[in-house]
Amino acid sequence: QSALTQPASVSGSPGQSITISCTGTSSDVGGGHNFVSWYQQHPGKAPKLIIYDVNIRPSGVSSRFSGSKSGNTASLTISGLQAEDEADYHCSSYTDSGGTYVFGGGTKVSVL
Amino acid sequence: QVQLVESGGGVVQPGRSLRLSCAASGLTLTNYAMHWVRQAPGSGLEWVAVISYDGRIKSYADSVKGRFTISRDNSKNTLFLQMDSLRPDDTAVFHCAGSPDSAWHNFEYWGQGILVTVSS
Repeated sequence: QSALTQPASVSGSPGQSITISCTGTSSDVGGGHNFVSWYQQHPGKAPKLIIYDVNIRPSGVSSRFSGSKSGNTASLTISGLQAEDEADYHCSSYTDSGGTYVFGGGTKVSVL
Repeated sequence: QVQLVESGGGVVQPGRSLRLSCAASGLTLTNYAMHWVRQAPGSGLEWVAVISYDGRIKSYADSVKGRFTISRDNSKNTLFLQMDSLRPDDTAVFHCAGSPDSAWHNFEYWGQGILVTVSS
């Protein structure tokens, strides 16, 4: 159950687009399912689900957030970057190992 | 409004036990699988354990298997985590999280978390 690999930090200017990668293996992200999710976490707050099943936004989540997957790597793109997007972002995936789950190490997004 | 509130954290010596609780309101737990997820200081999230809506199915991360036990009391809308043989590397903020029974992989609702510090 090794953690998924995310860049430690990503930054961008307001209005720009940024992409956060989340790399796993064929036993998790690259497995025969689309059970990859993304969470936004502001300092001192609980994580919030922003993308599930690779590319589906829950009701109320901005359309500026989008997800995709190719092979063993999932990605989260934030378009039209805003100051309020400054937060930590975590990916997660179901794994083929006995019904378990794994998270990434988290990515700190900074808005310059 | 859905609220998950964790309690039972604190400072404990290595080798000792601690029991966390997660009380739900605005949410009928019988419709949800429930997880524990922890976050060590300065680190990312780490999945710990999951329990099915009826308590019959449980799964654990290798790092806690044999030491931690997840359980639930749906009549009290409460989730538990019994932590035994605690180690310093168990120090973390522990969150409870709820997933729809049809989608255990979606951590839809989260508690704010409770700090557990394992130190002598």
